[in-house]
Amino acid sequence: NAGVTQTPKFQVLKTGQSMTLQCAQDMNHNSMYWYRQDPGMGLRLIYYSASEGTTDKGEVPNGYNVSRLNKREFSLRLESAAPSQTSVYFCASSQIGDEQFFGPGTRLTVL
Amino acid sequence: GENVEQHPSTLSVQEGDSAVIKCTYSDSASNYFPWYKQELGKRPQLIIDIRSNVGEKKDQRIAVTLNKTAKHFSLHITETQPEDSAVYFCAAGFTGKLIFGQGTTLQVKP
Repeated sequence: NAGVTQTPKFQVLKTGQSMTLQCAQDMNHNSMYWYRQDPGMGLRLIYYSASEGTTDKGEVPNGYNVSRLNKREFSLRLESAAPSQTSVYFCASSQIGDEQFFGPGTRLTVL
Repeated sequence: GENVEQHPSTLSVQEGDSAVIKCTYSDSASNYFPWYKQELGKRPQLIIDIRSNVGEKKDQRIAVTLNKTAKHFSLHITETQPEDSAVYFCAAGFTGKLIFGQGTTLQVKP
């Protein structure tokens, strides 16, 4: 079992460019999450999907969109990247109310 | 809005000493309180968790206590070792949605 996988591992964008971060899990979890991690600020929830077919905003959703493609996959899209979106992005999955398992992260730099 | 405060932000101890990290939360509906450890450049990994119907939980050198009335919970690490050096995050949540604290950088000096 690969657990939670994310692609790409690193990405550099110019301001205004768009991109999609991909996440997949093979643990048959119902819930999936996207976080961003900035120095000194912990992990902040961007969006989450409690179950297939549903998505909800987290603490910092502005500038992002998500798609729960199926039970395994949850993507995060930046439509017009800004330098403030430079961060490390983590995807996670869980059964509802249970331990969250994190992916390896995507380090994104927006110039 | 929902908030989790974590203290201290940095903690330095001698090998063999104990370390305590404290968190307070604002949402009284929270019923799940995990603690994650993150080593440099790695993903966060769960080390222990507690649910609101339990006041204390222990796993070898790690213990967590929860005071629901006061809305605070703490992580206790005894007999610290250099490999305990990492960033520790507390979180509080309900139905899966977690709010994380800002993190504590623990340094264990040999």
